[in-house]
Amino acid sequence: KQEVTQIPAALSVPEGENLVLNCSFTDSAIYNLQWFRQDPGKGLTSLLLIQSSQREQTSGRLNASLDKSSGRSTLYIAASQPGDSATYLCAATTGNAGNMLTFGGGTRLMVKP
Amino acid sequence: KAGVTQTPRYLIKTRGQQVTLSCSPISGHRSVSWYQQTPGQGLQFLFEYFSETQRNKGNFPGRFSGRQFSNSRSEMNVSTLELGDSALYLCASSFKGRETQYFGPGTRLLVL
Repeated sequence: KQEVTQIPAALSVPEGENLVLNCSFTDSAIYNLQWFRQDPGKGLTSLLLIQSSQREQTSGRLNASLDKSSGRSTLYIAASQPGDSATYLCAATTGNAGNMLTFGGGTRLMVKP
Repeated sequence: KAGVTQTPRYLIKTRGQQVTLSCSPISGHRSVSWYQQTPGQGLQFLFEYFSETQRNKGNFPGRFSGRQFSNSRSEMNVSTLELGDSALYLCASSFKGRETQYFGPGTRLLVL
């Protein structure tokens, strides 16, 4: 059974700092891994999807990496802004579990002006 | 292209009642999945529908059920509501599954 963990649960950084959010998973037979952002009381916004055959994906100031052998993914945010404040969730689709996403508990990020 | 829509956005029910939530996927998407989000358990998978068939099911009691119509719209039903069913219910759609999943704004259910 796939288990996904995100540490730390909360992070506070000053504006302009580069930061890395961590995601670990127990079953390396993942099909893909997605990073999402969730604002308070809202739905999830997809940020990046990495297929199991890929090592990283980039979108603007965001870069996500995937290392299946170590069971880790990271989300790098460059030059953080107050508008980046949100909860960031990673979720894995595992080989034998269809389209089901297994989510981590999330990292709540606050970027202070 | 319009995003995933969910109705209603907010619901208040009492224990023992039943509730039906609706999800309209992005046009052309055939896979619809449902998730429950609570502060204690986080996001948990309920079920997935593809072409009107349930393709995958999470570990929830039989009180939770769903269906998908020929236009890919989906509904989920919760019968005999319990206090612990209070949650944000999210649906997600994708073209056929295993690609980027797009989430709706959610339905917040409060059971009193």
